[in-house]
Amino acid sequence: QSALTQPPSASGSPGQSVTISCAGTNSDVGGYNYVSWYQQHPGKAPKLMIYEVSKRPSGVPDRFSGSKSGNTASLTVSGLQAEDEADYYCTSYAGNNNYVFGTGTKVTVL
Amino acid sequence: QVQLVQSGAEVKKPGASVKVSCKASGYTFSGHYMHWVRQAPGQGLEWMGLIIPNSGGTNYAQKFQGRVIMSRDTSISTVYMELSRLRSDDTAVYYCARELGTPEGYWGLGTLVTVSS
Repeated sequence: QSALTQPPSASGSPGQSVTISCAGTNSDVGGYNYVSWYQQHPGKAPKLMIYEVSKRPSGVPDRFSGSKSGNTASLTVSGLQAEDEADYYCTSYAGNNNYVFGTGTKVTVL
Repeated sequence: QVQLVQSGAEVKKPGASVKVSCKASGYTFSGHYMHWVRQAPGQGLEWMGLIIPNSGGTNYAQKFQGRVIMSRDTSISTVYMELSRLRSDDTAVYYCARELGTPEGYWGLGTLVTVSS
């Protein structure tokens, strides 16, 4: 079970959009529509932002959206705000009650 | 309201074992899978495994097989994660997390385990 591959960093100015990729294999990301995204601020527990590829939990702004193509999932944050500066992690179901996290992406709001 | 209360920080010597607890409240304990996730200082999240509270069934990430045991005590709505043969790179915050990747998910606040001689 190798970690899903994410870019180490991404950045954008307030109001701009940023997209983070999450590359896996057909045994995880590509094989199931169970990709989720977590936001983590320093010293805090992760917070769910997207589940089942593109669904938003209640209370998550619609500026956050998710998608998937083949073995790669993506998280897009539109209309960047200062509070969006955080680490973001994807995670995917990998079959047989296995899960795998991405390597994490630090988003900086310039 | 749902709460996951984890045990306090631990300091262990290399080669020792640690057992972290996670007490659940505010919901039907047996109705939701519980995951363990760890995060080394300055590093990313790492899935360690899960336990099915209803049956006690477990599944561990390949990396931890043979070194981790997850268990539960339904009488006190508590799950446990025991990691043995500790090394310095096991120093991390260990989280319990209900229902990973779903809107029914909740996370504990984490337990810092420090492995140092």
